[in-house]
Amino acid sequence: AQSVSQHNHHVILSEAASLELGCNYSYGGTVNLFWYVQYPGQHLQLLLKYFSGDPLVKGIKGFEAEFIKSKFSFNLRKPSVQWSDTAEYFCAVKIGGTSYGKLTFGQGTILTVHP
Amino acid sequence: KAGVTQTPRYLIKTRGQQVTLSCSPISGHRSVSWYQQTPGQGLQFLFEYFSETQRNKGNFPGRFSGRQFSNSRSEMNVSTLELGDSALYLCASSSAKGAYYEQYFGPGTRLTVT
Repeated sequence: AQSVSQHNHHVILSEAASLELGCNYSYGGTVNLFWYVQYPGQHLQLLLKYFSGDPLVKGIKGFEAEFIKSKFSFNLRKPSVQWSDTAEYFCAVKIGGTSYGKLTFGQGTILTVHP
Repeated sequence: KAGVTQTPRYLIKTRGQQVTLSCSPISGHRSVSWYQQTPGQGLQFLFEYFSETQRNKGNFPGRFSGRQFSNSRSEMNVSTLELGDSALYLCASSSAKGAYYEQYFGPGTRLTVT
């Protein structure tokens, strides 16, 4: 069974700092990878996704993620964070190549951005 | 397009009771999945329905069950509630077409068991 590990439970940054959240998964086959964000009091929203092709994917609000297959990683990055990026971020993996299947989530990383 | 809707949004139940939660997927989506979110265990997959059939099931006891109707709306039921069932229950829908599978989440139902 696949599993997902997010290395940081809580990250605290100042505005304009750069962000990198780590995500590693364990599954030897084809995977689809996702980052979701949950702003305070709001529902989970899809930030970005990787299915195939260019391993550097760009999402909404200036976020990007790089899929490194050899490292089983899918780290989320943003060059300059804003106070409004304060939220909880979840990495998720799904077995690829199918039109169904469950998402396996990491434990989440709480990001706090100080103005 | 309207998003995923879940009712009720908040629910308080007593141990031993049962509860039914409802989810209406995005129009045209035929797959509905349910997840449980708790501070301790995070987001855990409960089950997935597609065309009224359960396709996947997570590691939850048989007290947790679900179903899907012909209009793709789904319900999940928890019988004999325990304190540990207190959680945010999330529903997600997907068009489930081809290999490009994205799930869109609803706002959740916050269940408190006392």
